[in-house]
Amino acid sequence: NAGVTQTPKFQVLKTGQSMTLQCAQDMNHNSMYWYRQDPGMGLRLIYYSASEGTTDKGEVPNGYNVSRLNKREFSLRLESAAPSQTSVYFCASTILQGWANTGELFFGEGSRLTVL
Amino acid sequence: GIQVEQSPPDLILQEGANSTLRCNFSDSVNNLQWFHQNPWGQLINLFYIPSGTKQNGRLSATTVATERYSLLYISSSQTTDSGVYFCAVEERSSGSARQLTFGSGTQLTVLP
Repeated sequence: NAGVTQTPKFQVLKTGQSMTLQCAQDMNHNSMYWYRQDPGMGLRLIYYSASEGTTDKGEVPNGYNVSRLNKREFSLRLESAAPSQTSVYFCASTILQGWANTGELFFGEGSRLTVL
Repeated sequence: GIQVEQSPPDLILQEGANSTLRCNFSDSVNNLQWFHQNPWGQLINLFYIPSGTKQNGRLSATTVATERYSLLYISSSQTTDSGVYFCAVEERSSGSARQLTFGSGTQLTVLP
């Protein structure tokens, strides 16, 4: 049972390049999330998908797009990378119980992105 | 949005010592979770605790939702407890539900 799997684990980009971070979970969770973590800070929510077919903005969505491909997969795309997007990105998943009661959150191992 | 404050920001302990980490939040919450981020960056869920008290081995947590705080207790600390401890809450208001807001964390270092 792999849990939450993210790829790639490391990536270096030049300013203006694009890339997609992939995330997949095998726990049959309905909700998935993308967070970024910057030095000395907690995690900040970029986008989330409460269920298959829906996506919503979090605290810091600018410069990112997401796709909930199916129940298992949730991808994060940087269309034109900027140095301010240098960060560690975490994907997470959970069971959302009812309209609003986030269940126990499980994280992937993180993807370290550097934009030069 | 909801504010989540954790204290202390840094804590250094000798192996075997006990510690208490605190999480204060500014509004009503649906739930609260504690996480440990180990030195390799991996995030592990420790407790799902919207209210009451839970224990798991040397760790226990208490949330007093009416007073808007939660405490994480670590007893007989070990070097493997080192890392950052995060508190995260789901705000009850309709505009911010279904997402967790994280505090800035407590950096714990346990010395051998």
